[in-house]
Amino acid sequence: GQQLNQSPQSMFIQEGEDVSMNCTSSSIFNTWLWYKQDPGEGPVLLIALYKAGELTSNGRLTAQFGITRKDSFLNISASIPSDVGIYFCAGQKGNDMRFGAGTRLTVKP
Amino acid sequence: DAGVIQSPRHEVTEMGQEVTLRCKPISGHDYLFWYRQTMMRGLELLIYFNNNVPIDDSGMPEDRFSAKMPNASFSTLKIQPSEPRDSAVYFCASSSAFNIQYFGAGTRLSVL
Repeated sequence: GQQLNQSPQSMFIQEGEDVSMNCTSSSIFNTWLWYKQDPGEGPVLLIALYKAGELTSNGRLTAQFGITRKDSFLNISASIPSDVGIYFCAGQKGNDMRFGAGTRLTVKP
Repeated sequence: DAGVIQSPRHEVTEMGQEVTLRCKPISGHDYLFWYRQTMMRGLELLIYFNNNVPIDDSGMPEDRFSAKMPNASFSTLKIQPSEPRDSAVYFCASSSAFNIQYFGAGTRLSVL
């Protein structure tokens, strides 16, 4: 299926900085999800969002389900070296699940 | 819980050979998914099963690919014959609800 539009493709930041990434689609989704993938591993679910406008936190991570249901945002506050990895968004409606191309995050100590 | 278990972790084979990837889903999960990840195309859903029955195989690239789920605790993805363009990381995921999927560590396939 068509990929979601995820940006930025990559980010290089200093430890302690905040990070923002987003995902957009031309289609409406009922669920938005954010995954993190470490090198050599599979994606791990970070946050799931089920309702338009929903704002959910998981530690230093905060994600929002866009009001239009066509986008979602992920913020990471006070980044640390272990935040390094690839972050994927995913949108789901019925039996249709699509993934973004990922945002590769590098954190410099 | 051991999570989703995939084997082998790495597979190197020659063009034309048959390749079989294996997956053990999390116990109690009704859904099982096979994905392929490449730099060019990202994460693509190949096929998924619900209660051991294939539901949507529209993502399977071509007839060289086949997947089976003979029971609730085991699934295979087979490529026969393999080609260099099949080189990728293949993930298996399982879930109790369609959208909350738990991924295995993947099988990195290299076809020479």
